Amino acid sequence: NAGVIQTPRHKVTGKGQEATLWCEPISGHSAVFWYRQTIVQGLEFLTYFRNQAPIDDSGMPKERFSAQMPNQSHSTLKIQSTQPQDSAVYLCASSLDGTGTGQLYFGEGSKLTVL
Amino acid sequence: GDSVTQTEGLVTLTKGLPVMLNCTYQTTYSPFLFWYVQHLNEAPKLLLKSSTDNKRTEHQGFYATLHKSSSSFHLQKSSVQLSDSALYFCALDMGYKLTFGTGTSLLVDP
Repeated sequence: NAGVIQTPRHKVTGKGQEATLWCEPISGHSAVFWYRQTIVQGLEFLTYFRNQAPIDDSGMPKERFSAQMPNQSHSTLKIQSTQPQDSAVYLCASSLDGTGTGQLYFGEGSKLTVL
Repeated sequence: GDSVTQTEGLVTLTKGLPVMLNCTYQTTYSPFLFWYVQHLNEAPKLLLKSSTDNKRTEHQGFYATLHKSSSSFHLQKSSVQLSDSALYFCALDMGYKLTFGTGTSLLVDP
């Protein structure tokens, strides 16, 4: 079985440009998470979908970040007007039932560099 | 609020020596703790997990014991190998999402 697939693996944008990151969760998993990884902060929760419905976006910077899950096979994280502080590795993860005690399966991440 | 603390940012050891990576947590709920490992340019993967007080859990030579009395879930291994060089995250279940510590980089020298 394929794991969580994230594209692109690397993206470089200029300040003020838009970036869209894609995630394909493991087939059959009902929960999808987005995390942001930086050296200073480690892994920070951004948002969570269960059965495609947005459940918790408490970690999302409200003004420029948005996430969607239009169908069970993919989710997108969009960052508008990117800023240098948005530079990070964005990790998508899925789990079978989203209970929290189950295993998270992470993708290899999308490394965003904002110049 | 709920939180996880990993005090070491970098641990450097010689192959064959024992290691302990510290993890403490704060939560008002019944704790469920995890260790995830991330090798360079790879996805984080679950290493082990536990919610049982004072019971040792083991996987791939690593082990940890949840101690609710001290709010700790330290990761240990008796003899590290070169392949253990990686970033290790401790995480706390918060109902459906995990709160992660900042991570500890383990570097094993020959």
